[in-house]
Amino acid sequence: QVQLQESGPGLVKPSETLSLTCSVSGGSINTDYWSWLRQPPGKGLEWIGLIYYTGTTNYNPSLRSRVTISVDTSKTHFSLNLRSVTATDTAVYYCAKHRFYDNDGFDVWGQGTVVTVSS
Amino acid sequence: DIQMTQSPHTLSASVGDRVTITCRASQSISNWLAWYQQKPGQGPKLLIFKASSVESGVPSRFSGRGSGTEFTLIISSLQPDDFAIYFCQQYNNPPYTFGQGTKLDIK
Repeated sequence: QVQLQESGPGLVKPSETLSLTCSVSGGSINTDYWSWLRQPPGKGLEWIGLIYYTGTTNYNPSLRSRVTISVDTSKTHFSLNLRSVTATDTAVYYCAKHRFYDNDGFDVWGQGTVVTVSS
Repeated sequence: DIQMTQSPHTLSASVGDRVTITCRASQSISNWLAWYQQKPGQGPKLLIFKASSVESGVPSRFSGRGSGTEFTLIISSLQPDDFAIYFCQQYNNPPYTFGQGTKLDIK
């Protein structure tokens, strides 16, 4: 069964780049669509963007100018870079697998990693 | 973006109760809707996809209905493990969007 684990710094300074990695185990990264999502404190979930193993991406327009999602198929992980962060980027960040192509919701989630933007 | 509005925001219920949570979309999403359960410190768990298809391993007391703009999640007989937060999500068109969540707590 596929399992996901997010990793990366828990504290990022304003104006810097937030970088997270999602490690995929128990399955192949080369067969599914993968997404990053986040949940600010006390708020709902926000979809950041997705990637297919071929490198095809689709980003939330609200974040498109600052986001890059990439995949490393040989190392079975995919990554998130969010540039020029501010305090509003403070959130729990999740990686997730799409259930069927880019449809049918997200059937596997990581536990989430807390990222705080502060000087 | 498609806005998803859930109601109620909080719901107090007892073990054995039947509960219904509603999710409305700002425009038609056909049946491209998922429901999730989230517990503290955990990632969400997929319960329902395509509005009414129950994910493998999810207890049969969970069901979903609806199409177009109005959807419901039904828990037929609440169990102690069901007290959590529930979210709906549309995947008709990116950007995928979520409801604000319904907190189900013990009365």
